[in-house]
Parts: sequence; structure tokens; C-alpha cells
Amino acid sequence: DTGVSQDPRHKITKRGQNVTFRCDPISEHNRLYWYRQTLGQGPEFLTYFQNEAQLEKSRLLSDRFSAERPKGSFSTLEIQRTEQGDSAMYLCASSPSVLSGRTYEQYFGPGTRLTVT
Amino acid sequence: GEDVEQSLFLSVREGDSSVINCTYTDSSSTYLYWYKQEPGAGLQLLTYIFSNMDMKQDQRLTVLLNKKDKHLSLRIADTQTGDSAIYFCAESYSISGGYNKLIFGAGTRLAVHP
Repeated sequence: DTGVSQDPRHKITKRGQNVTFRCDPISEHNRLYWYRQTLGQGPEFLTYFQNEAQLEKSRLLSDRFSAERPKGSFSTLEIQRTEQGDSAMYLCASSPSVLSGRTYEQYFGPGTRLTVT
Repeated sequence: GEDVEQSLFLSVREGDSSVINCTYTDSSSTYLYWYKQEPGAGLQLLTYIFSNMDMKQDQRLTVLLNKKDKHLSLRIADTQTGDSAIYFCAESYSISGGYNKLIFGAGTRLAVHP
């Protein structure tokens, strides 16, 4: 069990460009979450996947944001036409299924820090 | 609505106990969590408590929950320099379908000095 991994760890992009981040959850965790953390704040929930189904999206997730989990394993988060306000740390977390009895445990990856110039 | 409040900063001397406090608003929260974040890193799950418990101890960590006052605390015994980090309190907000959205406070920065 190598933990949740995220790629890239850092991304610098110019305003208006598109960016895509990847998250690999802990193997056999069927629940996956994306959060966003801005400087000096705690993480804020963005979206949730159970297997490949996206079941919940926050109002923070504007139309420029899209997330996928095509085969129920890794997930991608894409931001189109980036804005300076998108600069933040994007965190992915995963948790095991209800059958494990520990579905309430969320394990976070190291995050992708996005800087939009 | 959901809201989690924490004090922003705590300074302690190495070897002393640290107590980090948190208040939350959602009385239906099922679980309450403490996470640790070191500079440039993700969040490490330290411990959590089920809402029908009032205390949980795990090695140097003690969690106290006062459900009536919606108050959660984390006590770290024998605080070490390696405990210097930001500590986040979080409550779970259960959505139909059984998953838990976590609502975080802004974090308490713990500084441990010799």
C-alpha cells in the first residue's frame, strides 16, 4: 500500500491555459474525493466519485472544471481557461468501501500546487 | 450551515502537553477528525472519533468530544519538535448514499520550541 499519489506535484501555468491533474488512490479504495486548499485555509470539498460515478459536485466547481474517473481507479481533474483565482493546492483523497467497515477514513495525497500567472 | 472554528496559533515548549481546540456546528456529524499538515505536504489522518464517544486515546494523542457544546479537542502529550505543523479539525457531513464530505477548519499552527 503506497498511499494516494498525485501528479504533478507543482504546476505553473499562464492565465487562459488548460491544466490537468491526476490522482491515483490507494488500491481497492472505491471512493475518491477532490478538495481545494487556498493559502491559510483548510481544504474545501470539490467533488466525489464512487467507483466511476461522479455522485456529488460542489458549487465551487464551475463549468471550467471537469473531473473524471473512467475505470473507477485513477481520476483526473481538468481546469480550462485557468484564472489567477484558481491558484491553490488541489488535494485528492480516497477511502475504502462500506464493506471494509472503515469507509469514514479519508487518506489524502500530497497535493498538486497550481500557480496561475 | 456547516462551519468549523479553530484558534490559529499555539506555541508550546518541548516536553509540555499541547491542547488544540475546535468548535463545529453540525450536530448530525457522524465522525470528527484531526489531520496534521507539514509544510508543502498533504494531510495526514491522525485520529478520529465517532460522535457517540466522548474520549479516544491513541498513544500520545487524546481526543475529547463534548457533543452538547459541539467542542472537540486534541491533546498531544510530551510534545516534540516533530509535532510542529498545522492541525486541522474536520467534521463529516454525510450525504445520502453514505459518503462523507469533510468540512475543515482553517487550521491551528502548532510551534514547538526548546
